[in-house]
Amino acid sequence: AQSVSQHNHHVILSEAASLELGCNYSYGGTVNLFWYVQYPGQHLQLLLKYFSGDPLVKGIKGFEAEFIKSKFSFNLRKPSVQWSDTAEYFCAVTSKGSYIPTFGRGTSLIVHP
Amino acid sequence: KAGVTQTPRYLIKTRGQQVTLSCSPISGHRSVSWYQQTPGQGLQFLFEYFSETQRNKGNFPGRFSGRQFSNSRSEMNVSTLELGDSALYLCASIGASGGPSEQFFGPGTRLTVL
Repeated sequence: AQSVSQHNHHVILSEAASLELGCNYSYGGTVNLFWYVQYPGQHLQLLLKYFSGDPLVKGIKGFEAEFIKSKFSFNLRKPSVQWSDTAEYFCAVTSKGSYIPTFGRGTSLIVHP
Repeated sequence: KAGVTQTPRYLIKTRGQQVTLSCSPISGHRSVSWYQQTPGQGLQFLFEYFSETQRNKGNFPGRFSGRQFSNSRSEMNVSTLELGDSALYLCASIGASGGPSEQFFGPGTRLTVL
């Protein structure tokens, strides 16, 4: 069974700091990759996704992620965080032919103004 | 299009009771998945329904069950509630595009078991 690891469980940053959240997965075949975000009191929503093509994908609100196949990684980045980025972030992976993603345990990000 | 809706939003039950949660997917979406979200555990997959049939199932005990109706609305039932069942239960739907797609999540039902 595939698994998804998010190495940072809690991250605390000041506004304007750079962000990188790690995500590694265990599946060796073709994968689809996602980052979801859950703002306080809101529903889970898609931040960005990778299906194929350019391994550097850009999402909403200035977020981007890079798929590195050799490292089984899909790290999320943002050059300058804002207080409004305070949220929980989930990495998710589906294997080819599956509609059911495996989620990481999530990273809680707190950004101090 | 209206998003995924879940009712009720909050529930308080006592141990041993049963509970039914409801989910209405985005119009036209035929796949509905259920997840249990708890702090530190992330999202644990419960089951997925497609065209009224359970297509995928996670590793939860038989106390957790679900069904889907012909209009794609889905219900999830938990019988003989335990304290550990306290969680946010999320429903998600996927469109039938035939290719990879993200899931669209509802706001969740917060279940507290006392």
